[in-house]
Amino acid sequence: RKEVEQDPGPFNVPEGATVAFNCTYSNSASQSFFWYRQDCRKEPKLLMSVYSSGNEDGRFTAQLNRASQYISLLIRDSKLSDSATYLCVVNYNTDKLIFGTGTRLQVFP
Amino acid sequence: EAQVTQNPRYLITVTGKKLTVTCSQNMNHEYMSWYRQDPGLGLRQIYYSMNVEVTDKGDVPEGYKVSRKEKRNFPLILESPSPNQTSLYFCASCPVGDPQETQYFGPGTRLLVL
Repeated sequence: RKEVEQDPGPFNVPEGATVAFNCTYSNSASQSFFWYRQDCRKEPKLLMSVYSSGNEDGRFTAQLNRASQYISLLIRDSKLSDSATYLCVVNYNTDKLIFGTGTRLQVFP
Repeated sequence: EAQVTQNPRYLITVTGKKLTVTCSQNMNHEYMSWYRQDPGLGLRQIYYSMNVEVTDKGDVPEGYKVSRKEKRNFPLILESPSPNQTSLYFCASCPVGDPQETQYFGPGTRLLVL
């Protein structure tokens, strides 16, 4: 089983739609969690951290379920500019950061 | 099915023994790239290619070579692997010129250099 698994997509959604991605991780000792965004031909950029209580940043909401070992990202009111690959990242300890292979989102007009 | 494939998925080798990791995409994408993922460092770009016969260094090119003789293939070559090249390698591709397109990642190749 992969350490971090994501549905590769693509998720094709119209502008204004709400879309959700899930990510599962295998190591229950995982300590911190992140969502990164990667655009074509660019380096991944941190989108948001994921906290146990869930957290929101504008149109983006991240949630963590430790019991089931998954994290989620919800995007409301999708914009064309949200089209990207979203990477789930899990940190087991201070020096071990594991990236998933990404979920592709395509927002169309 | 549109995809990026890498081979092998797992490889254990010894210092100095030349190896090649293949990457292939079936989407006619112009752009292809290699990344390595290391603990605490995230994804770092090794080399990228904007099209056939056009390659450029990324952030960490030392110790690696690439070639782009065909559009679909972008192999990563380690002429003389060293233990510090033990890592998880990802290949990726996307089209050039379409701002709405997204990047496709391969499944990853885990390399151990002894």
